[in-house]
Amino acid sequence: SQQGEEDPQALSIQEGENATMNCSYKTSINNLQWYRQNSGRGLVHLILIRSNEREKHSGRLRVTLDTSKKSSSLLITASRAADTASYFCSPSGGYNKLIFGAGTRLAVHP
Amino acid sequence: SAVISQKPSRDICQRGTSLTIQCQVDSQVTMMFWYRQQPGQSLTLIATANQGSEATYESGFVIDKFPISRPNLTFSTLTVSNMSPEDSSIYLCSVEDRDDEKLFFGSGTQLSVL
Repeated sequence: SQQGEEDPQALSIQEGENATMNCSYKTSINNLQWYRQNSGRGLVHLILIRSNEREKHSGRLRVTLDTSKKSSSLLITASRAADTASYFCSPSGGYNKLIFGAGTRLAVHP
Repeated sequence: SAVISQKPSRDICQRGTSLTIQCQVDSQVTMMFWYRQQPGQSLTLIATANQGSEATYESGFVIDKFPISRPNLTFSTLTVSNMSPEDSSIYLCSVEDRDDEKLFFGSGTQLSVL
């Protein structure tokens, strides 16, 4: 597996606004996963998008994948204070272990 | 899905001592992964633990410092040995869902070494 690079490193928005964060990677993948980490606790899996998919939705989350550009984006719509967390992407070549980048720290202000 | 019970949730230890972290999974899993997250940093994979064989360590991590046990398919321990303040981190165990290829994580152990 390889490490994804999340951008921006930090994002600060108001409740109700949308949050967009991006992930870039270097080599071909089988899938790409997004995770959330609240305040130094364990990561929680959000969504997995496969290399043959271009877009996927889960509740207020929308993930896109552009394999030609080797990039993915995570959109959180109508953000809430509870969305405040760090978000990590993990591109996977199909091997078991996942590697994580520095993440995007999202702060949603009431 | 998998539910992982990790303990202790936090501990404060003296330098030179050792701490053993336990992870119990509610289902049988082939591989368990141990990560470290230093303050303000991302997760770094320490090792992969298979049942019945020695753990596979990533570059920069050695068995003498981080011995791992995996006695069965639902349990693993990570020991942080001869601790120094540089070992102050969050330690996380995780398992892979074979059907979905996603990871489930324990709630983490926040370790502070004085």
